[in-house]
Amino acid sequence: KAGVTQTPRYLIKTRGQQVTLSCSPISGHRSVSWYQQTPGQGLQFLFEYFSETQRNKGNFPGRFSGRQFSNSRSEMNVSTLELGDSALYLCASTGQGLNYGYTFGSGTRLTVV
Amino acid sequence: DQQVKQNSPSLSVQEGRISILNCDYTNSMFDYFLWYKKYPAEGPTFLISISSIKDKNEDGRFTVFLNKSAKHLSLHIVPSQPGDSAVYFCAAKKSGSEKLVFGKGTKLTVNP
Repeated sequence: KAGVTQTPRYLIKTRGQQVTLSCSPISGHRSVSWYQQTPGQGLQFLFEYFSETQRNKGNFPGRFSGRQFSNSRSEMNVSTLELGDSALYLCASTGQGLNYGYTFGSGTRLTVV
Repeated sequence: DQQVKQNSPSLSVQEGRISILNCDYTNSMFDYFLWYKKYPAEGPTFLISISSIKDKNEDGRFTVFLNKSAKHLSLHIVPSQPGDSAVYFCAAKKSGSEKLVFGKGTKLTVNP
């Protein structure tokens, strides 16, 4: 079955702009989580969505937001970009019960200039 | 406060030998642990996991050991192959939550 798909793979934005990243989970998975990876901080949890509801949120400013649609696809948005937002943004989808698995996409590399 | 720690930033082993990667955690509420392998600019690839009700889980060349009293887990790779060279991340979660807490990773180099 298809894996977790993230688009776009690469993105260059200017400080002050906003950006939207997209994630399509594995078919049948209803939970989608987002992570930020930077060299200094490692992999940090941003938030998790399940059935269109945010269930959990990490310690990131309000400029980072997300949403999930009825087909479980998710988007995350970062407004008023800062240089420090340059990172690899990873999405993961999770199944339930016997179908449990925590699978990551290939990520979106965001560069803020 | 780093709840999951991988104290060795790097590890180098010879092909065919055993690789042992270590991970310590501080939060006793964690009850599910995962190991991922990662290449630069790619997403982590799931390797193996273990629930806190077990102390060992094996999958091919990969074995994870969990010592709950010491809050320590380790990943054994036997035999190590050059293709295993990557950064390995340990992650932990609590039941009822899908939030993973990651260690900083250990870069494994397997020399031919």
